Amino acid sequence: GIQVEQSPPDLILQEGANSTLRCNFSDSVNNLQWFHQNPWGQLINLFYIPSGTKQNGRLSATTVATERYSLLYISSSQTTDSGVYFCAVGRNSGNTPLVFGKGTRLSVIA
Amino acid sequence: NAGVTQTPKFRVLKTGQSMTLLCAQDMNHEYMYWYRQDPGMGLRLIHYSVGEGTTAKGEVPDGYNVSRLKKQNFLLGLESAAPSQTSVYFCASSYEVDTEAFFGQGTRLTVV
Repeated sequence: GIQVEQSPPDLILQEGANSTLRCNFSDSVNNLQWFHQNPWGQLINLFYIPSGTKQNGRLSATTVATERYSLLYISSSQTTDSGVYFCAVGRNSGNTPLVFGKGTRLSVIA
Repeated sequence: NAGVTQTPKFRVLKTGQSMTLLCAQDMNHEYMYWYRQDPGMGLRLIHYSVGEGTTAKGEVPDGYNVSRLKKQNFLLGLESAAPSQTSVYFCASSYEVDTEAFFGQGTRLTVV
């Protein structure tokens, strides 16, 4: 099946800093989502982005499908950004549901 | 609009007991999914459904059964719970397999 690798596995930031999270995948995809799992365990949809670039406030994401990676940018980080960020992809053949990476654990310190 | 709702939120089972987790969605989605999340891991797919009356196995189906008798509901059953099934279970739904998926709040299950 498709492999999804996220980096870095852990990240500690000072409040106000910027960061880039990366998601590499091993096959062509027709679905890619970024999620934030908050400290209470909720999975929050950030972006549905199988290709292209999107922005939502301090967060933006870019997927370069031909090179099989996606990037999530967090600017001016806040303590409420802490949690685990997951990338999940769907392979571009057959009815294949989302496959998740292992996540990036982000801690933002005041 | 409630989205995806899971019942119950927490449960403790003894080894060998059975239980059913209920997932309900009000978005008229065709596809529904059950995932489990273990510490330090991403979510892994247990079973999924591509429409009412259908089910299919995911990556980790052993020890679980599912049913989709109604479009809006997807049930996950454990016939004889084992400690290895201690996990957080997430249900999700989407209109198509390649459209945006939405997740429930999770069910934390402990098997002792």
